Amino acid sequence: GAGVSQSPSNKVTEKGKDVELRCDPISGHTALYWYRQSLGQGLEFLIYFQGNSAPDKSGLPSDRFSAERTGGSVSTLTIQRTQQEDSAVYLCASSLAQGAWETQYFGPGTRLLVL
Amino acid sequence: DQQVKQNSPSLSVQEGRISILNCDYTNSMFDYFLWYKKYPAEGPTFLISISSIKDKNEDGRFTVFLNKSAKHLSLHIVPSQPGDSAVYFCAATSSGNTPLVFGKGTRLSVIA
Repeated sequence: GAGVSQSPSNKVTEKGKDVELRCDPISGHTALYWYRQSLGQGLEFLIYFQGNSAPDKSGLPSDRFSAERTGGSVSTLTIQRTQQEDSAVYLCASSLAQGAWETQYFGPGTRLLVL
Repeated sequence: DQQVKQNSPSLSVQEGRISILNCDYTNSMFDYFLWYKKYPAEGPTFLISISSIKDKNEDGRFTVFLNKSAKHLSLHIVPSQPGDSAVYFCAATSSGNTPLVFGKGTRLSVIA
């Protein structure tokens, strides 16, 4: 595809359920980032992948959050036992290489609502 | 503790006039700064950047100014157009490799 795609675009879940959010980066982009934007807040870094490895997981807020990337392409962010404070827009971005910020393109995001 | 601050949540400007969006940072290790523009239901898009070795970078109607001593940067849009109406985020990084730290954004409304 031409850009970064994310699915689902919206997700409503009940507290305590697990959710999986998917990101398809731009073909050829080796770096992939997950961010979240809570209401009234800026974008908060969660995790970064270079290829399939995650050198920087420092932004994951708790051990309920995990992510993986396979084949140097698609990434999945999993939130276990969701809490209401997990409600946010989860944004994925990819870039040609780590630190190549001007080539970083964002997807449209997944809006997660935990009831 | 917010390392990147955008203290104006919103700004309203008349079409054709100058828009000035401000950003302050606290981490003196930050040496590369970016501005992103975000429309509703879309991801942010890169607008313009500046390295700490410069104090100004210009791209068409957009100019970013950096004042390192004040730890302050600003984005100027001249002339402002209705299509510029969006949320603008300031972001910073250290040595270009640490994760971007974003401000909370400023919503710009350009009134025709």
